[in-house]
Amino acid sequence: GAVVSQHPSWVICKSGTSVKIECRSLDFQATTMFWYRQFPKQSLMLMATSNEGSKATYEQGVEKDKFLINHASLTLSTLTVTSAHPEDSSFYICSARGAGYVGAFFGQGTRLTVV
Amino acid sequence: DQQVKQNSPSLSVQEGRISILNCDYTNSMFDYFLWYKKYPAEGPTFLISISSIKDKNEDGRFTVFLNKSAKHLSLHIVPSQPGDSAVYFCAATFGNEKLTFGTGTRLTIIP
Repeated sequence: GAVVSQHPSWVICKSGTSVKIECRSLDFQATTMFWYRQFPKQSLMLMATSNEGSKATYEQGVEKDKFLINHASLTLSTLTVTSAHPEDSSFYICSARGAGYVGAFFGQGTRLTVV
Repeated sequence: DQQVKQNSPSLSVQEGRISILNCDYTNSMFDYFLWYKKYPAEGPTFLISISSIKDKNEDGRFTVFLNKSAKHLSLHIVPSQPGDSAVYFCAATFGNEKLTFGTGTRLTIIP
């Protein structure tokens, strides 16, 4: 299957700082990328959908000014958690979809811990 | 509004037997369904999918069945192996829409 690489796999940051997570499609062009958050023992919660070259579409209840998403190229999307707080600690997962494919391939996930 | 439901949060199956994971959906627009497997602290891995024009798709030990009239799909794993222990998510979509995930079923294979 297609490969989606997410980096870093884990990060610890101080409260008030910003953290950037990268999501790359390695062997296909991702026309759409999705960002999810997973709380312990819960399902994947879609945060936002981004199409290359356009602004991300955020799900209800997700603060777009806090979770900045950039999808500047067909192989890279970034999620920046700004002014992180301990409640932002979670497992963040990206997925990418190529043209003509209705499914999506997932990155390895990033565990963010804000102290 | 949970459009995709996995009513069994957990399931335990003896090694070598068949594991059956179920998923129900409410949105009749959905025309493509997928199953993902997820280990702790990792991203989901695609397992198998099915289009609404089919009622069965098989890939090795994994078979997905779709019953459109009942808005129900199931994933069969046979024979079950210890490495199959994970959380399984079903997902549904239509057109170029986002995937809608179920809440997941934790499968435990007992040696």
